[in-house]
Amino acid sequence: EVQLLESGGDLAQPGGSLRLSCAASGFTFSSYAMNWVRQAPGKGLEWVSGISESGGRTHYADSVKGRFTISRDNSKNTLYLQMNSLRAEDTAVYYCAKSPSGSYPNWSDYWGQGTLVTVSS
Amino acid sequence: DIQMTQSPSSLSASIGDRVTISCRASQSISRYLNWYQQKPGKAPKLLIYAASSLQSGVPSRFSGSGSGTDFTLTISSLQPEDFATYYCQQSYNTPCSFGQGTKLEIK
Repeated sequence: EVQLLESGGDLAQPGGSLRLSCAASGFTFSSYAMNWVRQAPGKGLEWVSGISESGGRTHYADSVKGRFTISRDNSKNTLYLQMNSLRAEDTAVYYCAKSPSGSYPNWSDYWGQGTLVTVSS
Repeated sequence: DIQMTQSPSSLSASIGDRVTISCRASQSISRYLNWYQQKPGKAPKLLIYAASSLQSGVPSRFSGSGSGTDFTLTISSLQPEDFATYYCQQSYNTPCSFGQGTKLEIK
């Protein structure tokens, strides 16, 4: 069974940093591209970032480019999102999502339960 | 960037109704269009990928169609568990933009 478990969400101050993690199990993590998607309170879904199966190719939404960094450790079956220079508008539930193959872009066939990031002073 | 526009933004329907939700892309995306269902407090769930392919385990009352810029999600006979918000997403290129969502409510 595919499982994705996000962690690291917290309250952060504007300008601060957080690192989200997504522990994957139930599939061969190193064979699949992965995504981060967020949802601000009461709002719709926003694609944030994606990474190829090897980690060699990364993609970002304009809203986070230069501030967020996606990475993965295939030896630990873990996806990361380093979030720097946080802004109030980054407040959202962040979902980790699996792609159906190693190629990118692609759809997301499995999603984690999400982790809440709140940016406020 | 490709903009995705869904219509309607909200919809009231009854059990057993046939419902159609539309999604339009700002440029041609071939058949790189996916549909998700989200219930309150839950993660999204993939329903349809590549415009018309039904994800494993999804009931056959859900179907998708379209290509180019215009796409449709159809629920043939609404069930109580179908009341949720539905999103389209393009995977033609990055950023992999979503539509704004369509909230399906009970009439």
